[in-house]
Amino acid sequence: DAGITQSPRHKVTETGTPVTLRCHQTENHRYMYWYRQDPGHGLRLIHYSYGVKDTDKGEVSDGYSVSRSKTEDFLLTLESATSSQTSVYFCAISEPGQSSALHFGNGTRLTVT
Amino acid sequence: RKEVEQDPGPFNVPEGATVAFNCTYSNSASQSFFWYRQDCRKEPKLLMSVYSSGNEDGRFTAQLNRASQYISLLIRDSKLSDSATYLCVVNIGSNQFYFGTGTSLTVIP
Repeated sequence: DAGITQSPRHKVTETGTPVTLRCHQTENHRYMYWYRQDPGHGLRLIHYSYGVKDTDKGEVSDGYSVSRSKTEDFLLTLESATSSQTSVYFCAISEPGQSSALHFGNGTRLTVT
Repeated sequence: RKEVEQDPGPFNVPEGATVAFNCTYSNSASQSFFWYRQDCRKEPKLLMSVYSSGNEDGRFTAQLNRASQYISLLIRDSKLSDSATYLCVVNIGSNQFYFGTGTSLTVIP
């Protein structure tokens, strides 16, 4: 399995509080992604990174920010959590190239009350 | 229109049965295709890539039809351990991936 670790695994937080999720990889892959998974929607891209300090928005980026100061770490921040951000968050990595697949971390289950 | 569409199922099949899943994609410039397996409350895991000529891995066969823009996954001799959700994933280029919502499979003893 790819060396991807997400933390925390579970978190319950209150509406309006800031939350940061961490993704750490040991594979030295260039691309890192944050997805959320909700029933009926499948996996949707929040933000992704194509290198240190190089990030871009995905289809559901509102309310989220990211940072990548090192190759191995990609942080996702909810500046002010809302109940609509209750979800399962997955980090993924890949190498450049059209045939490269995604490899996922084991997920963070976030509940915003 | 969604980039990738899958029949959500559920598919309930007896052990030993053959089951097939289809997935359609909307972007004709899509470059690569994958099937992932996701167990309940777990992360998606790569099952197999899908190549233009079709490919097989044991009991699993994947096929791609670029003209009709669909991919398929065939599972032969289903096992109880095959019970999971199967996700169709498409890379439309520049490392942009789109996911189907998944097809649920339950293999019944």
